[in-house]
Amino acid sequence: GEKVEQHESTLSVREGDSAVINCTYTDTASSYFPWYKQEAGKSLHFVIDIRSNVDRKQSQRLIVLLDKKAKRFSLHITATQPEDSAIYFCAAGGATGGNNKLTFGQGTVLSVIP
Amino acid sequence: NAGVIQTPRHKVTGKGQEATLWCEPISGHSAVFWYRQTIVQGLEFLTYFRNQAPIDDSGMPKERFSAQMPNQSHSTLKIQSTQPQDSAVYLCASSLGGEQFFGPGTRLTVL
Repeated sequence: GEKVEQHESTLSVREGDSAVINCTYTDTASSYFPWYKQEAGKSLHFVIDIRSNVDRKQSQRLIVLLDKKAKRFSLHITATQPEDSAIYFCAAGGATGGNNKLTFGQGTVLSVIP
Repeated sequence: NAGVIQTPRHKVTGKGQEATLWCEPISGHSAVFWYRQTIVQGLEFLTYFRNQAPIDDSGMPKERFSAQMPNQSHSTLKIQSTQPQDSAVYLCASSLGGEQFFGPGTRLTVL
C-alpha cells in the first residue's frame, strides 16, 4: 500500500520567513495530495491540495509543488505569521480526490517565532 | 452548516466493554471516512463508505471493529471487547469529491 514520509518532524522559523515542508510517496497511482493543519487540541483543517495534472498551485501565502517523477511534494508557507504555528500533515490519495482514502505523513510541528 | 458532527466527544470504557462512536457527515456529502489518530501510529485510515456502500475496510482491525452507514445522515463505528491499545482519537470525515472535511473526533480511552 501507499506510504507517505514527511521529512521534517519539527521546523522552527522566524516570523516573516518562509517555511518548507517536504513529503515523498511510494505509489505511482496516487494523484491527489492535500495538506491539513492541526492546532493544539483541535481536529484537522484543510489548507490546500494539488492534483497530479499540475505541478504548482498557490493560494495566498501557500504554495504546493509536485514532482511526480521524484514522487515528492512540498508545502511552502511564505511570510509566516505566529498563527501559522501548528502541526501540518501531508497526505496522498487516489484519482477520485477527496472521494478516496488518504494516507498521511507523520506530521511536522511548525513553530513561528515572533 | 454545522460541519461533521461526532458524538460523544469523549468516551471512557473498561477493558472488554463495547464502544459505539457516531458520525453525522455534512449534508449532501457522498463519501464518509473513519480514521484514528495516536501519538505512536499517527493518522491511520480505517474504513470508508461512498453513497452509503462500504468501499474499503482495509484499515480495520479484524474481528472487533465494525462500521455501518444505515442512512446518508449517519455512520457508526463499533468496537467490541475494547482493549487499551484501542485508545485513540477517532476521526470521521466526509467529502463531496473535493477536500475531506474532518469532525472534531471522539477521544476513546480504554482503561
